[in-house]
Amino acid sequence: EVQLVESGGGLVKPGGSLRLSCAASGFTFSSYTMNWVRQAPGKGLEWVSSITSSNSYIYYADSVKGRFTISRDNAKNSLYLQMSSLRAEDTAVYYCARGVEADYWGQGTLVTVSS
Amino acid sequence: DIQMTQSPSSLSASVGDRVTITCRASQGIRNDLGWYQQKPGKAPKRLIYAASSLQSGVPSRFSGSGSGTEFTLTISSLQPEDFATYYCLQHNSYPRSFGQGTKLEIK
Repeated sequence: EVQLVESGGGLVKPGGSLRLSCAASGFTFSSYTMNWVRQAPGKGLEWVSSITSSNSYIYYADSVKGRFTISRDNAKNSLYLQMSSLRAEDTAVYYCARGVEADYWGQGTLVTVSS
Repeated sequence: DIQMTQSPSSLSASVGDRVTITCRASQGIRNDLGWYQQKPGKAPKRLIYAASSLQSGVPSRFSGSGSGTEFTLTISSLQPEDFATYYCLQHNSYPRSFGQGTKLEIK
């Protein structure tokens, strides 16, 4: 069974940093592109970033470029999102999703940016 | 960048009704589109992939169609558990883009 479990969310002050993790199981993690998608409270889904299976290609939304860094550790079956220079508008539930087509999603972790 | 325009943004319907939700892409995306259902407090769940293929385990009352720039999700006979928010996602190119969502409510 495919499982994706996000962690690392919490309350952080504007300008602060946070690192999210996504632990994957039930599939060959190293074979899949992985993604981060977020959802601000009461809003729609927003794609944040993707990383290909062997780290060859990385993509970011303009809204996070230069502030967020996606990475993965295929030996640990884990995906990461390092977030810095956080703003109030980054407040959201952050989901990791599997594959080019985002077929499976984790349950999400809430990031709140507030003073 | 590809923009996905989804309509309507909200829809009131009754159990047993047939409903259709549309997504339009700002440029051709072949059939690189999925449809997702999201219930409050839960993660999105994929219903349809490759524009018209039913995800395993999803009831057959859900169907998708379209290619290029125009796509539809149809629910043939609404059930109580179908009241939720629906999104399309294009995976033809980066940056990925979602439709704005359609909130399906009980009439």
